[in-house]
Amino acid sequence: DAMVIQNPRYQVTQFGKPVTLSCSQTLNHNVMYWYQQKSSQAPKLLFHYYDKDFNNEADTPDNFQSRRPNTSFCFLDIRSPGLGDAAMYLCATSRGTETYNEQFFGPGTRLTVL
Amino acid sequence: GQNIDQPTEMTATEGAIVQINCTYQTSGFNGLFWYQQHAGEAPTFLSYNVLDGLEEKGRFSSFLSRSKGYSYLLLKELQMKDSASYLCAVSDSNYQLIWGAGTKLIIKP
Repeated sequence: DAMVIQNPRYQVTQFGKPVTLSCSQTLNHNVMYWYQQKSSQAPKLLFHYYDKDFNNEADTPDNFQSRRPNTSFCFLDIRSPGLGDAAMYLCATSRGTETYNEQFFGPGTRLTVL
Repeated sequence: GQNIDQPTEMTATEGAIVQINCTYQTSGFNGLFWYQQHAGEAPTFLSYNVLDGLEEKGRFSSFLSRSKGYSYLLLKELQMKDSASYLCAVSDSNYQLIWGAGTKLIIKP
């Protein structure tokens, strides 16, 4: 089945220790998104790629970086995690057509910062 | 600014009907999505409305009024597994999804 995969599902890191979350997709979608979601809050878009074009949200902290080495994979790097970065991180994809942009989500990575 | 409003929490009884409302103010409109999100899991797609009116899909229906900036999700014959958060999201003029904070639906036996 075509899908969006995130690894790991649970990640524990220490304050200030860099961490990388990964996402892969078999849907062959053009667009990949990274969201941060805290409990009972709306998903917050961090950035997205349209093919190789990187789009950073204005309020995404510099502490968050992303890489998309190819169509299938996208990574989220948190350079120096703080306690406030503990959250669920969701990867999503969409075809990127301008008529219909349903987003397909991976299962998420829950990040704990000690 | 862009804003999506939906109730924080609702409670309903198994077998009953519940309506979850969503109002929005966005820069442009290219459709409205409803997603279901179980606790600790990723959102899953439920419905999409771009034209005014009611879209029915099994036990779930979604309604849109663009002139009023209003949508609702109607869930019939509620089951315990419907306990989840329901997220309303609007596709804006840049085709980016603007998300509501979600409505937590609690189903009681």
